[in-house]
Amino acid sequence: AQSVSQHNHHVILSEAASLELGCNYSYGGTVNLFWYVQYPGQHLQLLLKYFSGDPLVKGIKGFEAEFIKSKFSFNLRKPSVQWSDTAEYFCAVNALGGSQGNLIFGKGTKLSVKP
Amino acid sequence: DTGVSQNPRHKITKRGQNVTFRCDPISEHNRLYWYRQTLGQGPEFLTYFQNEAQLEKSRLLSDRFSAERPKGSFSTLEIQRTEQGDSAMYLCASSTDRAEQYFGPGTRLTVT
Repeated sequence: AQSVSQHNHHVILSEAASLELGCNYSYGGTVNLFWYVQYPGQHLQLLLKYFSGDPLVKGIKGFEAEFIKSKFSFNLRKPSVQWSDTAEYFCAVNALGGSQGNLIFGKGTKLSVKP
Repeated sequence: DTGVSQNPRHKITKRGQNVTFRCDPISEHNRLYWYRQTLGQGPEFLTYFQNEAQLEKSRLLSDRFSAERPKGSFSTLEIQRTEQGDSAMYLCASSTDRAEQYFGPGTRLTVT
């Protein structure tokens, strides 16, 4: 069965620190990849997506992610975090050769940024 | 606001009662998805519609759960004979073909 692993359950950083959140998936075929963010009290919002082409994708609020096919990874990065980045981050995969479009999510990583 | 909307936002019910949730997708989106999220977990897929056709159901969707999208617009998710294990956040999302999914705020169900 397809699965998504997020390596860190809770990450605590100070403002201006660099961020990297790990995401690995298990599926050998073609995938679409996503990072969603959930700010406190708000619903899931799309942060960035990868469908094809340049494996380095840029999203909103200075976030980027790199798709490394050989490692089945799609790690999220930000060079300098802000207090407002405090949220829960979810990696998600859509396996194109399998089901019709449902997303498989990781368990999420809670990011706390100290001012 | 033209995003995905869900009603009610919160529902408290007693075990054994039936509940129904509604989702209104973004108007031009032909695909609609239901997910369930429990504490400490990411959303888990329940079922998916393309227009009015229900094309896929997860094994998580027991026979007490039923979903409809009668006119290819809004959708309802009904849970019959609720159990305490049904307590969760029920999320709806919509998309165009093979595109990113946009999520609603969810309906939080508490079964007492």
